[in-house]
Amino acid sequence: SYELTQPPSVSVSPGQTARISCSGNALPKQYAYWYQQKPGRAPLLVIYKDNERPSGIPERFSGSSSGTTVTLTISGVQAEDEADYYCQSGDSSSTYWVFGAGTKLTVL
Amino acid sequence: EVQLVQSGAEVKKPGESLKISCKGSGYTFSSYWIGWVRQMPGKGLEWMGIIYPGDSDTRYSPSFQGQVTISADKSSSTAYLQWSSLQASDTAMYYCARRSESAAFDIWGQGTVVTVSS
Repeated sequence: SYELTQPPSVSVSPGQTARISCSGNALPKQYAYWYQQKPGRAPLLVIYKDNERPSGIPERFSGSSSGTTVTLTISGVQAEDEADYYCQSGDSSSTYWVFGAGTKLTVL
Repeated sequence: EVQLVQSGAEVKKPGESLKISCKGSGYTFSSYWIGWVRQMPGKGLEWMGIIYPGDSDTRYSPSFQGQVTISADKSSSTAYLQWSSLQASDTAMYYCARRSESAAFDIWGQGTVVTVSS
């Protein structure tokens, strides 16, 4: 079955830039979506359609796509950004969708 | 306010059946896909399946096909996730979420904890 691959963890200091990657064979044909999840909370959409930001999401969150890899970038990381981040996309025929295994962002 | 409200926590024994619910409000329920997502304790999100309440068109992840049943009742604006015979490995938090026109899960329920233990 289809899989999306994310790094297990990323660590940055406050004010630095965090980049979280997500790779999958169908990403050139399918949009990717990014969710933030804090402990004990439901996930929150932070990026849709590769690089669009929902209303209410800070401008420091951005997304990009290149070939089989999409990237979530958080510029000027703040302590409140510490969370798990998941990418989501569909298989090549849009039959079903998957999440990546998640990346734990630690703000040092 | 657009929201999804899920049914409460469940404690069940192996082999028992279960049906949990997700009620939408503040929007036209029948016009948006509703998905179900599993999160096992300490683990990541898993996409289980999705249903279009307007015509009950349903898609399942290969990992969950045959293991659960997703249904919806548009008259009551409620989607359901059910098991015919629970196993201990079904212990998890289950979220429902609305899929927006952009295909993102933009609205999430609060989650339902299911515990299966003898």
